[in-house]
Amino acid sequence: KAGVTQTPRYLIKTRGQQVTLSCSPISGHRSVSWYQQTPGQGLQFLFEYFSETQRNKGNFPGRFSGRQFSNSRSEMNVSTLELGDSALYLCASRFTSGGALDTQYFGPGTRLTVL
Amino acid sequence: SQQGEEDPQALSIQEGENATMNCSYKTSINNLQWYRQNSGRGLVHLILIRSNEREKHSGRLRVTLDTSKKSSSLLITASRAADTASYFCATDQLPNSGGSNYKLTFGKGTLLTVNP
Repeated sequence: KAGVTQTPRYLIKTRGQQVTLSCSPISGHRSVSWYQQTPGQGLQFLFEYFSETQRNKGNFPGRFSGRQFSNSRSEMNVSTLELGDSALYLCASRFTSGGALDTQYFGPGTRLTVL
Repeated sequence: SQQGEEDPQALSIQEGENATMNCSYKTSINNLQWYRQNSGRGLVHLILIRSNEREKHSGRLRVTLDTSKKSSSLLITASRAADTASYFCATDQLPNSGGSNYKLTFGKGTLLTVNP
């Protein structure tokens, strides 16, 4: 089975621009989560989608948004980019709706640099 | 906020030695997972231990969980240079209403360096 894929792998943007990142989960997985990783804050949860519905959202401003399509693929959008948005953005998928047996599998990440 | 806190922050050992990393967390959990990350790449899932389990093995990995102390440890035996990476614990928290919060909360990680 193919793993979680993320595109693009690297991205350079300037302040004020917006960006869209894409994630394709493992086949059959219906849950997709997004995380931001920075040296200062570590790994932080952005949001989680299951069957096209957002079930949980982390403590990020409204500039960060996401959506999930009927084929479980997900996109994340960041508008009005700031320098502090430079980070590795990781997508993860899992099969079930959460709980004791639920493993999250991560993609390789998108490295976003904001200049 | 960080739920898990790994200890130590950095660990340097020689090949063949064992490496032990610890993780503490604050709230009740469904499960605890350990991940490995090589230098800015994606996270690789290592092992998941459920809240009703106390110990789990996978190859050279041994994970323990003590829910009374809200802590876990990851032991890597007979380490290799290829084990050099950052290791993170992540918890799937149990909300007051039961079920899942549908997210993992990560610690800051332990940077393990295995010298040849």
